[in-house]
Amino acid sequence: EAGVTQFPSHSVIEKGQTVTLRCDPISGHDNLYWYRRVMGKEIKFLLHFVKESKQDESGMPNNRFLAERTGGTYSTLKVQPAELEDSGVYFCASSPALGYNEQFFGPGTRLTVL
Amino acid sequence: AQSVTQLGSHVSVSEGALVLLRCNYSSSVPPYLFWYVQYPNQGLQLLLKYTSAATLVKGINGFEAEFKKSETSFHLTKPSAHMSDAAEYFCAVNLYNFNKFYFGSGTKLNVKP
Repeated sequence: EAGVTQFPSHSVIEKGQTVTLRCDPISGHDNLYWYRRVMGKEIKFLLHFVKESKQDESGMPNNRFLAERTGGTYSTLKVQPAELEDSGVYFCASSPALGYNEQFFGPGTRLTVL
Repeated sequence: AQSVTQLGSHVSVSEGALVLLRCNYSSSVPPYLFWYVQYPNQGLQLLLKYTSAATLVKGINGFEAEFKKSETSFHLTKPSAHMSDAAEYFCAVNLYNFNKFYFGSGTKLNVKP
């Protein structure tokens, strides 16, 4: 069974540009999560999808971040326009059902904003 | 409010020595507790988890952790470090009725030959 995949693995962009990160969860997992780790600090929750619906987006830092999950399958996280403080590693995770206490993480996308 | 504190951002041990990585949490309700490991250039991998069953939890690669409610701790141990244990370790809390993790800031383990 394939794990959670993320694309790209690395992205380097200039301040003001747009970047889109993609996450493919484990097949059949209704729950999809985005997390971010900035500059060696703790990994912080961004948002949670159940199928195509946003269950909890309390961790989204501002309206420059837009997450979508088309058809309840893969998800994209767009940052527009990117700022220097958006640099970090963005992790995606999935789990099969609400209340299932384990999440399966992808390798992350390292975003560098210059 | 929920929070996770990992004491020591870097820990260095000799090969064969005891590994002890510390994690304390604060939570308004009984939590589920996890340790994840990230090897270089890889994603987060679950080491072990506590979900209100046995307080001493055994995980993969010889690691174990003990949930101590009175101390609000969930320290990770391994009796004998191996070179392959060099990685970054994250403690995390997941509340019973919620689906988001609260992570500590991570501890990088260095194993010296």
